[in-house]
Amino acid sequence: DVKVTQSSRYLVKRTGEKVFLECVQDMDHENMFWYRQDPGLGLRLIYFSYDVKMKEKGDIPEGYSVSREKKERFSLILESASTNQTSMYLCASRYGGNYGYTFGSGTRLTVV
Amino acid sequence: LAKTTQPISMDSYEGQEVNITCSHNNIATNDYITWYQQFPSQGPRFIIQGYKTKVTNEVASLFIPADRKSSTLSLPRVSLSDTAVYYCLVALGNGAGNMLTFGGGTRLMVKP
Repeated sequence: DVKVTQSSRYLVKRTGEKVFLECVQDMDHENMFWYRQDPGLGLRLIYFSYDVKMKEKGDIPEGYSVSREKKERFSLILESASTNQTSMYLCASRYGGNYGYTFGSGTRLTVV
Repeated sequence: LAKTTQPISMDSYEGQEVNITCSHNNIATNDYITWYQQFPSQGPRFIIQGYKTKVTNEVASLFIPADRKSSTLSLPRVSLSDTAVYYCLVALGNGAGNMLTFGGGTRLMVKP
């Protein structure tokens, strides 16, 4: 089975901190994604990447950046965390085209 | 940007068949329809995918009419453990199908 691993299940950070959320997949998938999920808003796409060093903005990229230096790893960066970035963050990977996603277990980030 | 529309919530009882319908009026010719299941504090999990007519696996069936403007996920004989949020996903966005947008999902509550 494809496995998508997010480095932390729970994180608490202070306002203004730089935050790194790490995601690793083990099946050589080309496409990787970062979503955030908030009550009543469903999953919203932040950024995605279809190849190493490639990135595309999703629906809500403001306040975030990403890094994909290796195919298996896709990092989400909060340059200066704010309280409105408190959320569940989900990483996903996919082989390509119309193949299904595999999601990680999520990181629940609280910014205080 | 086209979107999917699902009921916000549904209730059912153990042992019943549950049908959740998703509307996707602007589905493109090459788009597939995929359904995911999400439990609290976990990432969504792939359930089933189809292009047209009917698809069945060990978990569910997916019915897609000829015009493909809607699809119905059918869960036979649900149990309490099927209580979850179910997302209908259609490949939207650019031609490569890399950027997929999730709708709000349907919260299914199975009662004893």
